Amino acid sequence: SQKIEQNSEALNIQEGKTATLTCNYTNYSPAYLQWYRQDPGRGPVFLLLIRENEKEKRKERLKVTFDTTLKQSLFHITASQPADSATYLCALDYTGGGNKLTFGTGTQLKVEL
Amino acid sequence: SQTIHQWPATLVQPVGSPLSLECTVEGTSNPNLYWYRQAAGRGLQLLFYSIGIGQISSEVPQNLSASRPQDRQFILSSKKLLLSDSGFYLCAWSPESRAGGPETQYFGPGTRLLVL
Repeated sequence: SQKIEQNSEALNIQEGKTATLTCNYTNYSPAYLQWYRQDPGRGPVFLLLIRENEKEKRKERLKVTFDTTLKQSLFHITASQPADSATYLCALDYTGGGNKLTFGTGTQLKVEL
Repeated sequence: SQTIHQWPATLVQPVGSPLSLECTVEGTSNPNLYWYRQAAGRGLQLLFYSIGIGQISSEVPQNLSASRPQDRQFILSSKKLLLSDSGFYLCAWSPESRAGGPETQYFGPGTRLLVL
């Protein structure tokens, strides 16, 4: 069965450092991968989408890489701020039809002063 | 711009009581609609999705059901709630898929359900 793995342990980093979150997947080669942010008690919010032919994607302080050989995506937040503290989810479309996403369980990031 | 509404925000229900959660989307037509459940400390579990009026796909067998009576309205129901139905219920929409996507999903504010 399809499986998405994200670090279940919270990641604590100091303000100004770069946070790196990992998403590993199995049993499929998705055409694209998405990252979402979820704050406590709120719905997830879309951040970035990267396609299989894009090795890297950037948006302001965010950077996503996609290694289809390793079946892994890395999500980086540079110059992290306390406001970046949240849970970050990766998501894949295993159906290939563009209709359904399977979400990882997310990694909680805490940026400390 | 598009907006998505969910209500109620919080609900406390006794075991065995019925449930009706409503989700509406504004500012778009023919959206794909989704219901997810998120248990405490767990990931998002897709419950139902719909690509059109009256077209519902169920992902997980359970005592919940979904209906889409109008293009931008999605309802989650249960005839008799179980303790295990407690959780955070999220509705989401995405644009009508174009030949394999990809499509971003946009989530509502969620309904926190506690079954006692």
